[in-house]
Amino acid sequence: DIQMTQSPSSLSASVGDRVTITCRASQGISNYLAWYQQKPGKVPKLLIYAASTLQSGVPSRFSGSRSGTDFSLTISSLQPEDVATYYCQKYDSAPWTFGQGTKVEIK
Amino acid sequence: EVQLLESGGGLVQPGGSLRLSCAASGFTFSTCAMSWVRQAPGKGLEWVSTISDSTENTYYADSVKGRFTISRDNSKNTLYLQMSSLRADDTAVYSCAKSYGRLGVAGSRYFHHWGQGTLVTVSS
Repeated sequence: DIQMTQSPSSLSASVGDRVTITCRASQGISNYLAWYQQKPGKVPKLLIYAASTLQSGVPSRFSGSRSGTDFSLTISSLQPEDVATYYCQKYDSAPWTFGQGTKVEIK
Repeated sequence: EVQLLESGGGLVQPGGSLRLSCAASGFTFSTCAMSWVRQAPGKGLEWVSTISDSTENTYYADSVKGRFTISRDNSKNTLYLQMSSLRADDTAVYSCAKSYGRLGVAGSRYFHHWGQGTLVTVSS
């Protein structure tokens, strides 16, 4: 099975900082990579699909990119409401593996 | 508005069984693949199982293969997860998730909407 390695596991940054989370697939998954945001006590929310396509309604400060089997989620200017845990997920084929998650906090 | 409402969770003894349901509304249920995802207390998301829109194809995580069965009734807009031989490490909130579209279209397999989840606790 393809493994998804997400890093870092947590980060603390100041409001306005640029934040980047990475996810590495152990094999090629084309661009079948999604990013989800889960706020404390809430249901996960789709942010990005197809590695870089922003889901409707998601603020433009969120962006996704791909370089081979490395994927990144970037928040261009961290806001207090972005405090959450972020997960990547491969969806090319089964298993639909999630990354381990990245907890984002405000410094 | 898409709505996914899970039910059927509860406390069950190790080795026991439980059937979860997910009632869907607000979209054409028969045209979307559906999945179950779980989250153990304080842990990350774990994909459990996926069923195709047509019900022909099912997929399971190794951790539940042979113990869990996913099914759906497109006439009732309902997704199910039959869980048996439950273990303590199956304790989690189980959520159903709707894919954007059909399983046969790879680009549509991401999880577009999630339900609130139902808690399953396996304990004696």
